[in-house]
Amino acid sequence: GQNIDQPTEMTATEGAIVQINCTYQTSGFNGLFWYQQHAGEAPTFLSYNVLDGLEEKGRFSSFLSRSKGYSYLLLKELQMKDSASYLCAGMDSNYQLIWGAGTKLIIKP
Amino acid sequence: SQTIHQWPATLVQPVGSPLSLECTVEGTSNPNLYWYRQAAGRGLQLLFYSVGIGQISSEVPQNLSASRPQDRQFILSSKKLLLSDSGFYLCAWSTGRETGELFFGEGSRLTVL
Repeated sequence: GQNIDQPTEMTATEGAIVQINCTYQTSGFNGLFWYQQHAGEAPTFLSYNVLDGLEEKGRFSSFLSRSKGYSYLLLKELQMKDSASYLCAGMDSNYQLIWGAGTKLIIKP
Repeated sequence: SQTIHQWPATLVQPVGSPLSLECTVEGTSNPNLYWYRQAAGRGLQLLFYSVGIGQISSEVPQNLSASRPQDRQFILSSKKLLLSDSGFYLCAWSTGRETGELFFGEGSRLTVL
């Protein structure tokens, strides 16, 4: 079956760095996506990886290892506004997104 | 620029009542359109997607239905709601099926009592 696993909740301190891990099992693979979702709001796209390696976009970076079925989202210089849920999604061979349940990130001052 | 809107934002409905959620997209033509449901502690569940007017694919058999009467309009309906239909419903669009970059509407929170 297809599955996305990510931690339910994480806590970090303002100004610090946090890494949110995601492991995936999909039928075929057409990319790994990260979305941010603030409470009560819609998800917004953060990043896309289809090749192994690190993609950097400002304070956020996303890493992919296809051989390990593993990705992480790295958030640097954490700000209070980064408190949100982070959704990992893998795209299978039929271009269907398989979504994880999301990781709720709590930022403390 | 492209925008997407869905409404209503919140609704409370009794079991057995009908449902209609509407979504419209502006600023783009022939978008792929999606209806998702998000339940607490679970990943987004794709309910329906559409690649064009009148073309609807159902991913999950249930008492919900979808229609696309116009290029940029997507409607989610039910004739008789169940308790299990409660959740956060999200409409989204993309430029194509192969892209995983989705643009979501504001969401509609449905509570069935």
